[in-house]
Amino acid sequence: DAMVIQNPRYQVTQFGKPVTLSCSQTLNHNVMYWYQQKSSQAPKLLFHYYDKDFNNEADTPDNFQSRRPNTSFCFLDIRSPGLGDAAMYLCATSSSQGTSVYQPQHFGDGTRLSIL
Amino acid sequence: QKEVEQDPGPLSVPEGAIVSLNCTYSNSAFQYFMWYRQYSRKGPELLMYTYSSGNKEDGRFTAQVDKSSKYISLFIRDSQPSDSATYLCAMSANYKLSFGAGTTVTVRA
Repeated sequence: DAMVIQNPRYQVTQFGKPVTLSCSQTLNHNVMYWYQQKSSQAPKLLFHYYDKDFNNEADTPDNFQSRRPNTSFCFLDIRSPGLGDAAMYLCATSSSQGTSVYQPQHFGDGTRLSIL
Repeated sequence: QKEVEQDPGPLSVPEGAIVSLNCTYSNSAFQYFMWYRQYSRKGPELLMYTYSSGNKEDGRFTAQVDKSSKYISLFIRDSQPSDSATYLCAMSANYKLSFGAGTTVTVRA
């Protein structure tokens, strides 16, 4: 089945140790998103790629970076994780025909990040 | 005032009951209206979406949008214990989703 796949499902890292989370999709969608979701809260958008164009949200900390080497893959890099970065990280995709019309987003099952 | 308001519940109903979930919003520019279901430790799953006022049915699920009142609803008929989850409404005017707080629903067997 076409889907959004995130690996790993669970990730444990040490305070300050860089970590990379990955996302792949078989939907061939041109837009990919990264969200942070903390317990009992709605997902919070960190950034998105429209094709190869990177778009950062104004309140996303500099500690968070992303790479999209091709249409199917996207990575989230956390350069120096702090205790406050422990959360579920969700990848989503959608298709867009022009920058004003976006189809609904499809989410992966997330990576739960713990910081020791 | 938040852009999207959703009662977080929790909501507990007996099996077979109708579950009624609602959201109100303030941004007239919203084009797409969505309902996501999220099970514990899983990502949000797109249940239904619409871009116009009116009703949309899919099996036991009915989504309603009233743009004049800025109000959307999701109804789940003949609810099952497997429907126990958090339901998030979401709306978009462009690339960005505006989520409600999510309503946690428990269907008791």
